Amino acid sequence: TQLLEQSPQFLSIQEGENLTVYCNSSSVFSSLQWYRQEPGEGPVLLVTVVTGGEVKKLKRLTFQFGDARKDSSLHITAAQPGDTGLYLCAGLDRGDDKIIFGKGTRLHILP
Amino acid sequence: SQTIHQWPATLVQPVGSPLSLECTVEGTSNPNLYWYRQAAGRGLQLLFYSVGIGQISSEVPQNLSASRPQDRQFILSSKKLLLSDSGFYLCAWGTASNQPQHFGDGTRLSIL
Repeated sequence: TQLLEQSPQFLSIQEGENLTVYCNSSSVFSSLQWYRQEPGEGPVLLVTVVTGGEVKKLKRLTFQFGDARKDSSLHITAAQPGDTGLYLCAGLDRGDDKIIFGKGTRLHILP
Repeated sequence: SQTIHQWPATLVQPVGSPLSLECTVEGTSNPNLYWYRQAAGRGLQLLFYSVGIGQISSEVPQNLSASRPQDRQFILSSKKLLLSDSGFYLCAWGTASNQPQHFGDGTRLSIL
């Protein structure tokens, strides 16, 4: 079974700062997704990356899939309080053809 | 557009009582359906998934069960709740097992 490790587990920064969170595995994934979850709600899909080296942008959020498709990063520019939440990465397990989730990075942006 | 409804939003139950959580999906046919439990610091734990009516796969042995009586209805049940069943329960749907999932707003279950 493939595992996804997310780091850091917690991150608290000031509004306006930049940050990067990571999603790593020793295994190759066919695709990888990023979700954001706010307290008391379900995760919401932000992006899916499929090709090694792929970069996708969603306003101030930049997602990158590693060349070897074993890792991914999420970079947020000029963080805002509205970015606060739990960021989950999820990868397609090629063996089981199922999606597996990391434990998430809990991000808190201080106004 | 597709929507997913999950209820109730919160539930407080005594130990030993039964449980029934319901999830329905609109705007799609023959979806894959999922039940997850989310505990603090432990991420999303897949409990059950279903690829069709009456087809249920269990990922973790426990005192919970799931049923899919209709194409777009997924129910999580228990005959006798344990303290350890407390948590945040999420229902999700997807078009296939290797496709992104779309989540409901969850049920916060507290066992007293």
